[in-house]
Amino acid sequence: DVKVTQSSRYLVKRTGEKVFLECVQDMDHENMFWYRQDPGLGLRLIYFSYDVKMKEKGDIPEGYSVSREKKERFSLILESASTNQTSMYLCASSLGGAVLDTQYFGPGTRLTVL
Amino acid sequence: GENVEQHPSTLSVQEGDSAVIKCTYSDSASNYFPWYKQELGKGPQLIIDIRSNVGEKKDQRIAVTLNKTAKHFSLHITETQPEDSAVYFCAARLRDTGFQKLVFGTGTRLLVSP
Repeated sequence: DVKVTQSSRYLVKRTGEKVFLECVQDMDHENMFWYRQDPGLGLRLIYFSYDVKMKEKGDIPEGYSVSREKKERFSLILESASTNQTSMYLCASSLGGAVLDTQYFGPGTRLTVL
Repeated sequence: GENVEQHPSTLSVQEGDSAVIKCTYSDSASNYFPWYKQELGKGPQLIIDIRSNVGEKKDQRIAVTLNKTAKHFSLHITETQPEDSAVYFCAARLRDTGFQKLVFGTGTRLLVSP
């Protein structure tokens, strides 16, 4: 079974702090994604990566950056956390290539910024 | 860009009844339509998907239909059970984007009462 793990289930940070959310997948997937989930808004794509050191902006990249130094690990960085970044953050991975393949999600990190 | 609308936002049914969730998409170039189920405290999991060259697909109690002309697709759950209670998301993928980028609907909270 594909496993996508996220470093924390719950996180509380203060405004202005630098925040790192880590995601690891164990299936040698090419693609990795970061979404945020908010009530009434569904899942919105922040960033995705299709290879090591490669990244593309999603629909809401403002205030976020990402890092993919190793194939299995994809980090989401909040350079200076703000209260409007309080949300559920979901990481996903997929096999990659031209195949229409499944995205596998981690359990999510609920981030609260005070 | 692609936009996906999902209805209803909440749906309450009695055990054994059928449930239908509907989604519409804006871009006629979309060619892949997965449905995800998110149980409490977990990340979304793929339950069924359909490609644009197929009108209907079934997997036991769940089925998905696609109407390309009207640009809408629906999830049908028959003989609902309490364990079907969850949030369901539809999604659409643009053809030839080169990457596995999905646009998600806003979610439907399904409650199945015993």
